[in-house]
Amino acid sequence: RKEVEQDPGPFNVPEGATVAFNCTYSNSASQSFFWYRQDCRKEPKLLMSVYSSGNEDGRFTAQLNRASQYISLLIRDSKLSDSATYLCVVESGGSYIPTFGRGTSLIVHP
Amino acid sequence: ETGVTQSPTHLIKTRGQQVTLRCSSQSGHNTVSWYQQALGQGPQFIFQYYREEENGRGNFPPRFSGLQFPNYSSELNVNALELDDSALYLCASSGIGGGGTGELFFGEGSRLTVL
Repeated sequence: RKEVEQDPGPFNVPEGATVAFNCTYSNSASQSFFWYRQDCRKEPKLLMSVYSSGNEDGRFTAQLNRASQYISLLIRDSKLSDSATYLCVVESGGSYIPTFGRGTSLIVHP
Repeated sequence: ETGVTQSPTHLIKTRGQQVTLRCSSQSGHNTVSWYQQALGQGPQFIFQYYREEENGRGNFPPRFSGLQFPNYSSELNVNALELDDSALYLCASSGIGGGGTGELFFGEGSRLTVL
């Protein structure tokens, strides 16, 4: 089983839609969680950290479920500019090495 | 702009050759992580350097080696190149090492093609 797993998609949604991605992780000792965004042929950039209590940044909401070992990202009112690959990142206790999932591709169409 | 620069941006090598990729970290950052990203995949961790010491290594063979300099810039060296080494190599700098990496700031990457 991979350490961090994501559905690669693509998720193809119309503008204004709400879309959610999940990411599962295998190491129960994982400490820190993040979502990164990667545009086509560009480097990844931090979208948001994921806190135990959940957190929101505008149209984006991140949740952590430690019992089931997954994190989620919810995007409301999708924009064309949200089209990108969303990478789940997990840091495990001890090594603190960020491990990336393979990413979920989102395509928002008019 | 992240302030992380990588060179070269593109390069083509043949099997068996050796390559050196370079990364200048963001000012004030003491940790550099290297990732390999194949097409359609997420970045795979190669290794991390914290204050000139290797701080962790992923599942890559010994022909992948690196170092970090006193100014915290870093090099990735790959010997005996194989076709499967063709990928985007990403360098990321961060301000915390050895106890939580914090936000990663990536360079634009070096795209390596092995023929």
